[in-house]
Amino acid sequence: SAVISQKPSRDICQRGTSLTIQCQVDSQVTMMFWYRQQPGQSLTLIATANQGSEATYESGFVIDKFPISRPNLTFSTLTVSNMSPEDSSIYLCSVEYGTGEAVQETQYFGPGTRLLVL
Amino acid sequence: QQPVQSPQAVILREGEDAVINCSSSKALYSVHWYRQKHGEAPVFLMILLKGGEQKGHEKISASFNEKKQQSSLYLTASQLSYSGTYFCGTADNYGQNFVFGPGTRLSVLP
Repeated sequence: SAVISQKPSRDICQRGTSLTIQCQVDSQVTMMFWYRQQPGQSLTLIATANQGSEATYESGFVIDKFPISRPNLTFSTLTVSNMSPEDSSIYLCSVEYGTGEAVQETQYFGPGTRLLVL
Repeated sequence: QQPVQSPQAVILREGEDAVINCSSSKALYSVHWYRQKHGEAPVFLMILLKGGEQKGHEKISASFNEKKQQSSLYLTASQLSYSGTYFCGTADNYGQNFVFGPGTRLSVLP
């Protein structure tokens, strides 16, 4: 199994600022994902972070708001830009071991970053 | 489009069985099952691919009926540790557009 760490674990930010969340994995992985989860709600996929190519965003999420970097096979960052209170949520990264074709292998989640925007 | 899960919540006594269903309005390539305890990250349970297979994981198993576009998670002789919210996740027939269901909250009482 993969060991995933996220930084920061939680933060309180002011409206209009940006926060970068880091995700570090203890082994090389093909695909990494970023999710958002409101308290008591389901998980919503923000984007797939692909090493060597641009991230693939899901409907309703855009690169200007959630820029993603994937400089290597063990690390990724998600930035939440120009934050508003509606961005308050838990942000989780997830990794998958597989062929990179589709979401069809085991996924492991990081512990999450709790974000509160005032 | 988000799959539908039923029931929304269920309360069991230790040792009882439960079934959680996940259905979609579209053809599916795969169904994933996760369990999330309060304040923790989701934990992967199993994945079922197109082909109607059934999988087992200790006393937790699942089936996938691709024709009916639905999957069921079976929890047998439930333990206190089974408590949590169970999410199914589905990918469409092209293996794309992965989306989680709304979750089923399971509480196992002593």
